[in-house]
Amino acid sequence: DIVMTQTPLSSPVTLGQPASISCRSSQSLVHRDGNTYLSWLQQRPGQPPRPLIYKISNRFSGVPDRFSGSGAGTDFTLRISRVEAEDVGVYYCMQATQFITFGQGTRLEIK
Amino acid sequence: EVQLVESGGGLVKPGGSLRLSCAASGFTFSDAWMSWVRQAPGKGLEWVGRIRKKSDGGTTDYAAPVKGRFTISRDDSKNTLYLQINSLKTEDTAVYYCTSEWYYLLNSWGQGTLVTVSS
Repeated sequence: DIVMTQTPLSSPVTLGQPASISCRSSQSLVHRDGNTYLSWLQQRPGQPPRPLIYKISNRFSGVPDRFSGSGAGTDFTLRISRVEAEDVGVYYCMQATQFITFGQGTRLEIK
Repeated sequence: EVQLVESGGGLVKPGGSLRLSCAASGFTFSDAWMSWVRQAPGKGLEWVGRIRKKSDGGTTDYAAPVKGRFTISRDDSKNTLYLQINSLKTEDTAVYYCTSEWYYLLNSWGQGTLVTVSS
């Protein structure tokens, strides 16, 4: 199984400041079709998760452009350019190159 | 509007069985791959398994911890996804989410149904 490791597990951030979450996979996420199926999801308190980013850097419909994704191979990053109060929650990276596995989650909180 | 509505959760004794359902609407269910994801209380997300659309073989994949005990099926005539869970263990206690897959992204999620396994 592909293991996904996120850092940090908790991230206190000041409103209006940037935030960054890293995700590392135990093996390359490049699929045999050439795509890299790494996505990011957000789970607000009391809500189901919702997709933010797919295939490393593509924003899902309706996701604000302050969210961006980058990376390649085994190392990936989610960035929020200016954190807003509604961004509080837990963020998960997810790989779907070989079955599906999630990172442990990173809790974003406001300082 | 896409809607996924899970049902069938509840309190079950260890060793028991349960069938969860997920009613889908707002998209062409028969064209979708579907997955189940669970979340134990206060914990992270864990993928349970998926079922492909019939034109892709209708085959299933399962996570190692549930293989052999969990069965995913679908009834495209009813736009409904199922999860049969047998030999329930206390560690199966979780909210179970139904999700649709779009190009290997879990793009739509239901609100979840809680399964509690306790004697």
